[in-house]
Amino acid sequence: DTGVSQNPRHKITKRGQNVTFRCDPISEHNRLYWYRQTLGQGPEFLTYFQNEAQLEKSRLLSDRFSAERPKGSFSTLEIQRTEQGDSAMYLCASSAGGIFQETQYFGPGTRLLVL
Amino acid sequence: SQQGEEDPQALSIQEGENATMNCSYKTSINNLQWYRQNSGRGLVHLILIRSNEREKHSGRLRVTLDTSKKSSSLLITASRAADTASYFCATAKVIKAAGNKLTFGGGTRVLVKP
Repeated sequence: DTGVSQNPRHKITKRGQNVTFRCDPISEHNRLYWYRQTLGQGPEFLTYFQNEAQLEKSRLLSDRFSAERPKGSFSTLEIQRTEQGDSAMYLCASSAGGIFQETQYFGPGTRLLVL
Repeated sequence: SQQGEEDPQALSIQEGENATMNCSYKTSINNLQWYRQNSGRGLVHLILIRSNEREKHSGRLRVTLDTSKKSSSLLITASRAADTASYFCATAKVIKAAGNKLTFGGGTRVLVKP
């Protein structure tokens, strides 16, 4: 399977714990995005990487959130001191292609539940 | 904040019927995209229409874009039970280094009854 993969698929944690999610993009894609989706809503942009550089961050990404893409391949999203409001689906997408017709390919997501 | 707003929020049709959903947005865009999401799964890209295009087809899908009204529609013809899913429109705006920030609407939940 050469699509975007995310691990774990599900995570249940207690409030105050730290969690880390991993995203493996399509291998030749240099752009990588993280989105968050709460129940019944559309995804919301969190952050964007081109290769290893994090170039854009949403105001949704509080200081408890950190994302990395150390070698320009896989990416991790860490949430420190989780809160119940962090419960959501975290989606990763990767892309390549022309600036005005870029298609983002999404992974299956990591569903986080904070108790 | 979500820029695109889909209408209707939910749609129930019989297999074989057509399904139409609309999306409105607020600011200028580079392109508009439609995605499908099956329950609890990731998003699947369906079709992209650029801001200088008015209509696009892909299989049983037809998308229109009216930039003067800041609206788009997605038509699924001859629907099948497998089309049951949530459908999202997303507007794309260029950000740094040729990235595109997608802003999604709240989605239309489509149920196709066999």
